[in-house]
Amino acid sequence: GAVVSQHPSRVICKSGTSVKIECRSLDFQATTMFWYRQFPKQSLMLMATSNEGSKATYEQGVEKDKFLINHASLTLSTLTVTSAHPEDSSFYICSAPTPGGTEAFFGQGTRLTVV
Amino acid sequence: GQQLNQSPQSMFIQEGEDVSMNCTSSSIFNTWLWYKQDPGEGPVLLIALYKAGELTSNGRLTAQFGITRKDSFLNISASIPSDVGIYFCAGHNNNDMRFGAGTRLTVKP
Repeated sequence: GAVVSQHPSRVICKSGTSVKIECRSLDFQATTMFWYRQFPKQSLMLMATSNEGSKATYEQGVEKDKFLINHASLTLSTLTVTSAHPEDSSFYICSAPTPGGTEAFFGQGTRLTVV
Repeated sequence: GQQLNQSPQSMFIQEGEDVSMNCTSSSIFNTWLWYKQDPGEGPVLLIALYKAGELTSNGRLTAQFGITRKDSFLNISASIPSDVGIYFCAGHNNNDMRFGAGTRLTVKP
């Protein structure tokens, strides 16, 4: 079946540094990818929709300059958390709908800890 | 983004019992999806529904796409300890996807 790979699975970084998270669709092309944030014991909160070849669409309240999204190819989207702070510590997950948009598959998630 | 109404929020059941959870929406969706998330991992697709009225099974799991295209339910029969996790419904239209808040399932041996 379709697979979405997310990397890294865990990252610890110092306050003030930036962290890049990659999301790849391994066996299908994804013109759109979704980025979510999940707090403990809560649902997935959509942060932004990544669009190949154009700017990402951010949900209300999500800082564009802090969460940089790049969708440079049909199989890769990246989320960069810039100038990370401890409150950015969270579980970040990407997903990609298959061509035709009938299904969507998730990456494994990235546990970000900012110290 | 806007979420679907998923219920119940949590369930505590005995091993062997059946489970039912559902999702409703004010909007119509072309596809309904059900996912399971284990701690520290991304959600895994369990069942995808494409047609109004469709009833689909995957082992002990059965899901239905409501006739109005605004709701769906998921049943788990004869629950086992490894069914523990959070179950999410999702409504999908092209590049727009909405999630329920999740149902946290606990199964007591």
